[in-house]
Amino acid sequence: QSVLTQPPSVSAAPGQKVTISCSGSTSNIGNNYVSWYQQLPGTAPKLLIYDNNERPSGIPDRFSGSKSGTSATLGITGLQTGDEADYYCGTWDSSLSAGVFGGGTKLTVL
Amino acid sequence: EVQLVESGGGLVKPGGSLRLSCAASGFTLSSYNMNWVRQAPGKGLEWVSLITVSNNNIYYADSARGRFTISRDNAKNSLFLQMNSLRAEDTAVYYCARLGSSSNAFDFWGQGTMVTVSS
Repeated sequence: QSVLTQPPSVSAAPGQKVTISCSGSTSNIGNNYVSWYQQLPGTAPKLLIYDNNERPSGIPDRFSGSKSGTSATLGITGLQTGDEADYYCGTWDSSLSAGVFGGGTKLTVL
Repeated sequence: EVQLVESGGGLVKPGGSLRLSCAASGFTLSSYNMNWVRQAPGKGLEWVSLITVSNNNIYYADSARGRFTISRDNAKNSLFLQMNSLRAEDTAVYYCARLGSSSNAFDFWGQGTMVTVSS
């Protein structure tokens, strides 16, 4: 059971938009920055979004992040088949003094 | 180019020990907080441990506390994870991950090393 809650799967057609939610509590998302990671099959995770809504260099602006209260959201527009991957949210939990991740969301581009 | 290369994984019997290493290149390890994150087969990511730049602060997941020890050798640009009293549920790919200096996120990851605990 993950500390952060994500939907197990989402799907959308190529070119469409999808959002992935990440729900937590005041001890984690509510008071710490959220990051998002993309894990393509058989590869290591890759940072997509940091500090709630910032993109590292090289990450296209099709990817966006937001945070409100104890929830965060990853948005992906202009979906491509190459976006099919597992997506994870992560943050620090101040009560646990530990890093925490969501359970991951598998994105299928139909 | 930033690179993190893990090594030391393998097959070990329950109760055994392994020492994982992570060789860093392309940046100065001593300037960054470093982490271990694992992923059991077919499962999600699980944070394992964090060591801060000056070793002043070390944190562990409950699943690792008391059995695993994180350490670093800044002179050798290397991160380590000593794992003792291994259990079947420790079977996973273990990644070392750098915490960004200006971001609260794991900005670079290694390719991972597989640890299998089985009799």
